[in-house]
Amino acid sequence: AQKITQTQPGMFVQEKEAVTLDCTYDTSDQSYGLFWYKQPSSGEMIFLIYQGSYDEQNATEGRYSLNFQKARKSANLVISASQLGDSAMYFCAMRAAWNYGQNFVFGPGTRLSVLP
Amino acid sequence: NAGVTQTPKFQVLKTGQSMTLQCAQDMNHEYMSWYRQDPGMGLRLIHYSVGAGITDQGEVPNGYNVSRSTTEDFPLRLLSAAPSQTSVYFCASNSAGPSYEQYFGPGTRLTVT
Repeated sequence: AQKITQTQPGMFVQEKEAVTLDCTYDTSDQSYGLFWYKQPSSGEMIFLIYQGSYDEQNATEGRYSLNFQKARKSANLVISASQLGDSAMYFCAMRAAWNYGQNFVFGPGTRLSVLP
Repeated sequence: NAGVTQTPKFQVLKTGQSMTLQCAQDMNHEYMSWYRQDPGMGLRLIHYSVGAGITDQGEVPNGYNVSRSTTEDFPLRLLSAAPSQTSVYFCASNSAGPSYEQYFGPGTRLTVT
């Protein structure tokens, strides 16, 4: 069975600083995808970044990067130059490639607060 | 292109009542899913569909039914509402392939009294 662990229920960061949100996963599959979503207080789920298990380079999307360490089964999200608008819940999710239609597994989330 | 739409946005039910949460997508995605979100628990999969006429159960299916008669629509039915079903419900859709993210609807906040 797949499982996502996010050990930081809440995090604080000063505006303009970088922050790392932790995500570890458990799967016996060799091929899988890892995703990060942002959920602001308005409630919508916003896709941020994707990393495939066979991707050799860490994924980057603007100020977001994914620190992927396959041997450690971790997929930490790094947000550079934090902004007040980054305050939100962040969810790490995984999908096994063989079951990619429906089997997204989500972690419990980390609430990030950016301080002015 | 509206993406994934859900109605209603808010709903209050009495215990024992039934209702249907509507979900539609206009991206021609094969896969659609229903999740519930409860505090501290992330999103949990209720039911999903991999195409018209094909549905299956997720992690927490009890008390819910689904059907998929068209590619676009994937309604979720609460058969006899219970206070434990008070939650925020999200519908999502995605294309086939492991690299494709799910697109989410805006959610429905349901309260059962």
